[in-house]
Amino acid sequence: DIQMTQSPSTLSASVGDRVTITCRASQSISSWLAWYQQKPGKAPKLLIYMASTLESEVPSRFSGSGSGTEFTLTISSLQPDDFATYYCQHYSTYSGSFGPGTKLEIK
Amino acid sequence: EVQLVESGGGLVKPEGSLRLSCVGSGFTFSNYNMNWVRQAPGTGLEWVASISSRSTYIYYADSMKGRFTISRDNAKNSLYLHMNSLGAEDTAVYFCARDRGGNSGFFDSWGQGTLVTVSS
Repeated sequence: DIQMTQSPSTLSASVGDRVTITCRASQSISSWLAWYQQKPGKAPKLLIYMASTLESEVPSRFSGSGSGTEFTLTISSLQPDDFATYYCQHYSTYSGSFGPGTKLEIK
Repeated sequence: EVQLVESGGGLVKPEGSLRLSCVGSGFTFSNYNMNWVRQAPGTGLEWVASISSRSTYIYYADSMKGRFTISRDNAKNSLYLHMNSLGAEDTAVYFCARDRGGNSGFFDSWGQGTLVTVSS
């Protein structure tokens, strides 16, 4: 099975900061990677798929990059609404494994 | 508007069984692969099972095989998860999630979740 890791596990930042979250796969997954945002008590929200394709209506300050085993999610200028937990997901037809999550906190 | 509404969660004793349901609306349910994803308290997301649009293909996470059964009834726009031999490790919020389409494997719509608590 492919294992997903994320770093850091917690990230403290301020409004306006540029932040980057890293996701690594235990073996190459090409670009089969999605990113989700989850707020406490809520369902996850799809942000990015195919490693870098922005889901509709997701603000352009979010971007994704990478392929193979290393991927990044970047928020160019943090907004108050962005403080949440972010998960990467390796997906394939009829299965998927999530990373452990990165909690983005207000500094 | 796409909506997914789960139900059926609750308190169940160890070794007990439970059936979760998810009703979809605002889209053609029979055209989409569907999934269950769970989240234990204070932890991350764990994919549970997937079922294709016509129930032709069904897949489970290894830890759920043999205990959980995913099914659907397209006439009722409904997705189900039958869970047997429940243990404390199955305590979690269970989300149903819609596949983006085209056998993509990632999830563009989620329900609000239903909490399953396994405890004596």
